[in-house]
Amino acid sequence: QLQLQESGPGLVKPSETLSLTCTVSGGSISRSSNYWGWVRQPPGKGLEWIGKIYYSGSTYYNPSLKSRVTLSVDTSKNQFSLKLSSVTAADTAIYYCARLPTVTNWFDPWGQGTLVTVSS
Amino acid sequence: SYVLTQPPSVSVAPGQTARITCGGNNVGSKSVHWYQQKPGQAPVLVVYNDSDRPSGIPERFSGSNSGNTATLTISRVEAGDEADYYCQVWENTSGHPDVVFGGGTKLTVL
Repeated sequence: QLQLQESGPGLVKPSETLSLTCTVSGGSISRSSNYWGWVRQPPGKGLEWIGKIYYSGSTYYNPSLKSRVTLSVDTSKNQFSLKLSSVTAADTAIYYCARLPTVTNWFDPWGQGTLVTVSS
Repeated sequence: SYVLTQPPSVSVAPGQTARITCGGNNVGSKSVHWYQQKPGQAPVLVVYNDSDRPSGIPERFSGSNSGNTATLTISRVEAGDEADYYCQVWENTSGHPDVVFGGGTKLTVL
């Protein structure tokens, strides 16, 4: 059974870079039928897509975040990562990682999510 | 950019049928996916490709999509169905591929 788990600092200072990692277990991140993505949810608000990455490194980003987001993948560790630069309080959110089948682009399964607070 | 519009809230009595809509320009030409999110939990896929159910999702959950509206229907609503529901599409007609979520609908079981 495929499982995903986010990890990283829960507190980031304004103007710094938020860094999170998603570890995939129960399956290979190099499987050709999947992308791997990130979604965030500010407290009490809706879902916002951040981006997705293929095991080869091919990426798609939310146009509104594209200038600040970098996704990467480490197939040797079965992990993929998110970096979001120049963060502000508006980036405070629960960050989820998830799998997306390549053709259909739905999210399943999801990690449990990790709360990242941007504050000095 | 493409926009999906959901009603903020829907209320229904136990045993009745809940219908949650997701409006978008010609959304019937796209594949719509639906997620259930209970408080403090990650979203869970309940319907994909307009009307298919992942394994483990009760048959009470169904979906349809035509014209400018997609609908998630929950039959014989139970107290445990109380949650936020989000629709989602992959938008790739504008030259800028994008995942779009609706704003979410809070389902209250009276």
